[in-house]
Amino acid sequence: DAGVTQSPTHLIKTRGQQVTLRCSPKSGHDTVSWYQQALGQGPQFIFQYYEEEERQRGNFPDRFSGHQFPNYSSELNVNALLLGDSALYLCASSLTSGISYNEQFFGPGTRLTVL
Amino acid sequence: AQSVTQLGSHVSVSEGALVLLRCNYSSSVPPYLFWYVQYPNQGLQLLLKYTSAATLVKGINGFEAEFKKSETSFHLTKPSAHMSDAAEYFCAVTVGGFKTIFGAGTRLFVKA
Repeated sequence: DAGVTQSPTHLIKTRGQQVTLRCSPKSGHDTVSWYQQALGQGPQFIFQYYEEEERQRGNFPDRFSGHQFPNYSSELNVNALLLGDSALYLCASSLTSGISYNEQFFGPGTRLTVL
Repeated sequence: AQSVTQLGSHVSVSEGALVLLRCNYSSSVPPYLFWYVQYPNQGLQLLLKYTSAATLVKGINGFEAEFKKSETSFHLTKPSAHMSDAAEYFCAVTVGGFKTIFGAGTRLFVKA
């Protein structure tokens, strides 16, 4: 059973460019969350997708957008890249059910460097 | 608003010594609490979780944590450190089952 997969592993972009990161959830999961982890810091919640809609959003500007596909995979798009967007981007998947707690499984992340 | 505070950005212990990583949380509702470990250039791995069952939670690799509501703490312990325990550890709280808030992390160093 494959866990959460992310692509690409590493990415280098220049300021002002746009980037798309991809995530495939763990088999059986229907919910995808994205996190940004700057160097030396804890992950920061960007947003969560469920049923192809953004269910909750953290404190990130509109330059950060996402999408979830019918097969539950997800994309994170960042427009007008800034140097401060350089970070490890983590995807986590979970299964939304009747209980309020849903364990998240994390992918290995995509390392984005903005020059 | 929910928040997580990890006391000590770096902790150093000798191999075989007790590991204690401190975490305090703030939550207006009963929280779900987690400890994750991150090895260099890797994602996060769940060590253990508290979801309102037993207050003493046992996790993988010999780690455990105790939920203390009166102290709003969820400290992580391991009786005997191993060299392979050297990593970054994150305490986290889940809000409403959706958004997870992480602490800033504690890097654990294990000396031979």
